[in-house]
Amino acid sequence: NAGVTQTPKFQVLKTGQSMTLQCAQDMNHNSMYWYRQDPGMGLRLIYYSASEGTTDKGEVPNGYNVSRLNKREFSLRLESAAPSQTSVYFCASSELYRWAAHYGYTFGSGTRLTVV
Amino acid sequence: QQQVKQSPQSLIVQKGGIPIINCAYENTAFDYFPWYQQFPGKGPALLIAIRPDVSEKKEGRFTISFNKSAKQFSLHIMDSQPGDSATYFCAAVNMYSGGGADGLTFGKGTHLIIQP
Repeated sequence: NAGVTQTPKFQVLKTGQSMTLQCAQDMNHNSMYWYRQDPGMGLRLIYYSASEGTTDKGEVPNGYNVSRLNKREFSLRLESAAPSQTSVYFCASSELYRWAAHYGYTFGSGTRLTVV
Repeated sequence: QQQVKQSPQSLIVQKGGIPIINCAYENTAFDYFPWYQQFPGKGPALLIAIRPDVSEKKEGRFTISFNKSAKQFSLHIMDSQPGDSATYFCAAVNMYSGGGADGLTFGKGTHLIIQP
């Protein structure tokens, strides 16, 4: 099925460890996003990529880096994990059709990360 | 950061009741207002959306009411069912100048429980 695929689904890290969250979409969308979701905080944008070759900071970028590897893939890296980064991470993609009747994001199913 | 304010944070309704979730926005340039539904362990999924040139949109049991002058919009769920229990997010975007790079601005979410 077409959509956004995230790996892994679950991860436990020790403080200071590094890891990369992977995201791939097969809808030929130009834009991709990384969000984190915490109780009572909603969806907070970490980084986004408006198109292949570009990335920009969102609301909460500290402690993260991203790579837009190609049009399909957008990865999120935690260089030195901290307990404050315990969260559920969502990748999303979108395409803006300015005169379309519909516009929205397609989200992946999330990565639940625990840093101990 | 442009805001979309969503209320209530949580809501409990008896089966068959009509839960109402409200959102208010500040940016008058927003011209597309989607709602997302998120079940536990899943990513948010587009539920219904409205443009400001109409005051109401219905899709099945879900209705969006839109008040352009008050800069408010709301989601109503008719004949609510336990299967509607989920977290609901409102969002807004300017489809002409936004999307892509700026993307959607999300409310903080409403955790809805429909009791049998």
